[in-house]
Amino acid sequence: GAVVSQHPSRVICKSGTSVKIECRSLDFQATTMFWYRQFPKQSLMLMATSNEGSKATYEQGVEKDKFLINHASLTLSTLTVTSAHPEDSSFYICSAVQGAGETQYFGPGTRLLVL
Amino acid sequence: AQTVTQSQPEMSVQEAETVTLSCTYDTSENNYYLFWYKQPPSRQMILVIRQEAYKQQNATENRFSVNFQKAAKSFSLKISDSQLGDTAMYFCAFMRGRSNTGKLIFGQGTTLQVKP
Repeated sequence: GAVVSQHPSRVICKSGTSVKIECRSLDFQATTMFWYRQFPKQSLMLMATSNEGSKATYEQGVEKDKFLINHASLTLSTLTVTSAHPEDSSFYICSAVQGAGETQYFGPGTRLLVL
Repeated sequence: AQTVTQSQPEMSVQEAETVTLSCTYDTSENNYYLFWYKQPPSRQMILVIRQEAYKQQNATENRFSVNFQKAAKSFSLKISDSQLGDTAMYFCAFMRGRSNTGKLIFGQGTTLQVKP
C-alpha cells in the first residue's frame, strides 16, 4: 500500500513553455501533498505544501506564480511550471501523507529539462 | 528553527559488514518524529525507518536499526549485514508533532557505497 505515482517521469520542453506534472496517491486519500525540488547529489528542497480544497502554501523564495499548484482531489495534485527556463531544469518529487498519519510517501520523481 | 545535520557526505562498507550513518538535529520541541529515507540510483525515496520521540525504545526494521539519543539529539542508522542493494543516498529527516503542517526537514544526505 501507500503508493504514489508521478507523471511524466521525464519531460523535455522548450524555454518559455509550460509543463504540468501530476502526482497521484494510488491506494489512499491524501489531504496533504508536498512538492520538492532536488539538484544532483543534493538534498530535497521543499517548494510548497498542497492541501486539498485550499490554496497551496509556498516556502520562502518559491515563486507561486511560476510554480502553480492545484490539489483538485484527495488523490491528485498538480505542479505547473509556467514559462519554463533552463534554470528550472531539475528533478521534481512529490509526496503524500495518508490520512492523519505522519509518514510521507514519495513519488518516483519527474526529471525536467528545459532547452 | 529546526535543523538536521548529516556530517558524513560519503561512506563505504564491505558487503556483509555493518555500517552506521550519523545524524544530529536541533529542536526545542518535545513532540516530534525522526525518519531515515533511502534514495537509490533510481531516485525513488523509500522510507527505511521512523522513530517517535516519545518512545524510548529504538526502532528496528529487519537489518536496519536506529540509536536514538534524545538528550544528545542524535539519531544514527545502523545497517547490519550490508547488501549491494543498500547502495544509495540516505537522508535523515525531522518532523514536528502532527499538530502542524507535517513538513519534513531533511539533512544533507550521506552517500553509501556497498562494495562486493
